Amino acid sequence: DSGVTQTPKHLITATGQRVTLRCSPRSGDLSVYWYQQSLDQGLQFLIQYYNGEERAKGNILERFSAQQFPDLHSELNLSSLELGDSALYFCASSYSSGTGELFFGEGSRLTVL
Amino acid sequence: QQQVKQSPQSLIVQKGGISIINCAYENTAFDYFPWYQQFPGKGPALLIAIRPDVSEKKEGRFTISFNKSAKQFSLHIMDSQPGDSATYFCAARTGNTGKLIFGQGTTLQVKP
Repeated sequence: DSGVTQTPKHLITATGQRVTLRCSPRSGDLSVYWYQQSLDQGLQFLIQYYNGEERAKGNILERFSAQQFPDLHSELNLSSLELGDSALYFCASSYSSGTGELFFGEGSRLTVL
Repeated sequence: QQQVKQSPQSLIVQKGGISIINCAYENTAFDYFPWYQQFPGKGPALLIAIRPDVSEKKEGRFTISFNKSAKQFSLHIMDSQPGDSATYFCAARTGNTGKLIFGQGTTLQVKP
C-alpha cells in the first residue's frame, strides 16, 4: 500500500460528460502528480502541484483541469469527454517537488462510452 | 527529445534466468533515471534508480547499468523469479520538478 488514495476506482460515463477524480496523497507529502496510462500512449505526465501551486505541466488537454486544495488533496476534472479519454488515471505524491521517487495510487479507471 | 525509448515490449524468461530491459534517451538534461515495477491492478512502484554520475547500481537481484556516452541504461534482473512477472517502466527526470518521462513499458513473464 503506497498510502496514496484515489477515488473512484472505476468510472463509466458517456461522451460529452464531465467527471472528477480525487486523490489523497501520502501523509506529509506536499507534491501531487497526475498521469494518464493508456495502452497506446503508456504513462503520460499531465500535471504536478506542489503545496497548492502548479509546478509543472505536461500534455494536458484544455478540457482537463486540476487543482490542489489547502488540505493537499487534489482533483482532476475531465470535461467534454471523448472515447479517447478512456484510460487509467494515476495520482502520485512525493514529499518534495524535485524528487523522482513518486508514490502512486492504484488508479482510477475511466471508461467513456 | 523528451522521449525515453524502451525495449523489448515483452520478455519471457525462465526461472533463474537473467532478464534485461533496455532504455535510451536523447535529452542530456535528464538527471535521474528510475525504474518502476507495476503489477496488474496496481500503480507503478519505484524499484531502483540511478544518477548519471554512476555507471552501475545494484540492489539485491536488480542492477541498473548506465552508459552516459551512449545515452542508454538498462535493468538487469538476476535469478528471475515468477514473482518478478510484472510490467517494468524506465523513466527519466529533468529539472527540479518530479516530472518523469516514462518509457513504453516491458511486460516480463518469468516461467516456472
